[in-house]
Amino acid sequence: RKEVEQDPGPFNVPEGATVAFNCTYSNSASQSFFWYRQDCRKEPKLLMSVYSSGNEDGRFTAQLNRASQYISLLIRDSKLSDSATYLCVVVNAGNNRKLIWGLGTSLAVNP
Amino acid sequence: NAGVTQTPKFQVLKTGQSMTLQCAQDMNHNSMYWYRQDPGMGLRLIYYSASEGTTDKGEVPNGYNVSRLNKREFSLRLESAAPSQTSVYFCASLREGQYEQYFGPGTRLTVT
Repeated sequence: RKEVEQDPGPFNVPEGATVAFNCTYSNSASQSFFWYRQDCRKEPKLLMSVYSSGNEDGRFTAQLNRASQYISLLIRDSKLSDSATYLCVVVNAGNNRKLIWGLGTSLAVNP
Repeated sequence: NAGVTQTPKFQVLKTGQSMTLQCAQDMNHNSMYWYRQDPGMGLRLIYYSASEGTTDKGEVPNGYNVSRLNKREFSLRLESAAPSQTSVYFCASLREGQYEQYFGPGTRLTVT
């Protein structure tokens, strides 16, 4: 089983829709969690960290469920510019300079 | 403040040729990384360097060598390129404490 798993998609949604992605992780000692965004043929960039209590940044909401070992990303009022691949990243205790990357979930927002 | 820079942006090699991919960061980060990204495989760690003078293998180190020349620079060398090394290579550095990785723009390498 991979350490970090994501549904690859693609998710095709109309503009204005709400879409949610999940990411599961296998190591219960994982301590830090992030969502990165990668546009086609570009480098990944940090979208947001995921805090234990959940956090929001504009239209984006991230949540952590430690009991079930998954994190989620909710995008409200989708824009065409949200089309990208969303990568889940986990940092495990004991080796906090090595980030564990999911394969990513592809999102296409259609007009 | 350029962030992370990589050279070259594109390269075509013949099987058996060697080359070095250069990476530099100007953010005073201790940790630097080399990844490769292939369709359907995601980002795979080749090597990383937690600090100047140290390097460690990642998930897919075979066929590669690295040098942490100083705090700013971390190079990746292919001694004898193979078609299986056709990929997009990303260099990254790590902002510690917050675990934010900053990536270079990537090198698109084709080995024929």
